[in-house]
Amino acid sequence: NAGVTQTPKFQVLKTGQSMTLQCAQDMNHEYMSWYRQDPGMGLRLIHYSVGAGITDQGEVPNGYNVSRSTTEDFPLRLLSAAPSQTSVYFCASSLAESTGELFFGEGSRLTVL
Amino acid sequence: QKEVEQDPGPLSVPEGAIVSLNCTYSNSAFQYFMWYRQYSRKGPELLMYTYSSGNKEDGRFTAQVDKSSKYISLFIRDSQPSDSATYLCAMIRYSSASKIIFGSGTRLSIRP
Repeated sequence: NAGVTQTPKFQVLKTGQSMTLQCAQDMNHEYMSWYRQDPGMGLRLIHYSVGAGITDQGEVPNGYNVSRSTTEDFPLRLLSAAPSQTSVYFCASSLAESTGELFFGEGSRLTVL
Repeated sequence: QKEVEQDPGPLSVPEGAIVSLNCTYSNSAFQYFMWYRQYSRKGPELLMYTYSSGNKEDGRFTAQVDKSSKYISLFIRDSQPSDSATYLCAMIRYSSASKIIFGSGTRLSIRP
């Protein structure tokens, strides 16, 4: 049972480049989300999805896009990378939005030069 | 002012000591309180989940909520080097994953 799988684990981008962080879960969870973690800031919610075809913005959505075409996958797209997007990104899933138990992936470390 | 405040540490204690980790919060509407443990270069994992006030015990871990003081604590008894990690508190007003507010985490180191 893989749980929540994120790829890539590490990525270096130049300012202005675009890329997609992949997230897949095999637990049949309806709820999926993306967080960024920065020193002293804790985890901040970027986007979330309560089911296939439904997405919504979190606390810090600017510069990011998401889509949810299947229950399993929830990719995060950086449209035009900026140095301020240097961070560690975590994908998390939950059986449903009504629960507070999140299952996290191992993270994707992104550096934007 | 942040909704949830947590001392970043680092906190270093000898093996076998009792550890106390704390968070304060400003929103009296929070009802669900959680502690997540995050090992270095890993994702957080849920450690304890409590509703409203009182204590909850799970093995060597005890979560305590004092809603009158807006203060939550996690106690670790007989601490082990394997407990070395960052501990994140988290809380929500009602049971909705998209509304979870996380503390910034306390880094804990247990010395053998």
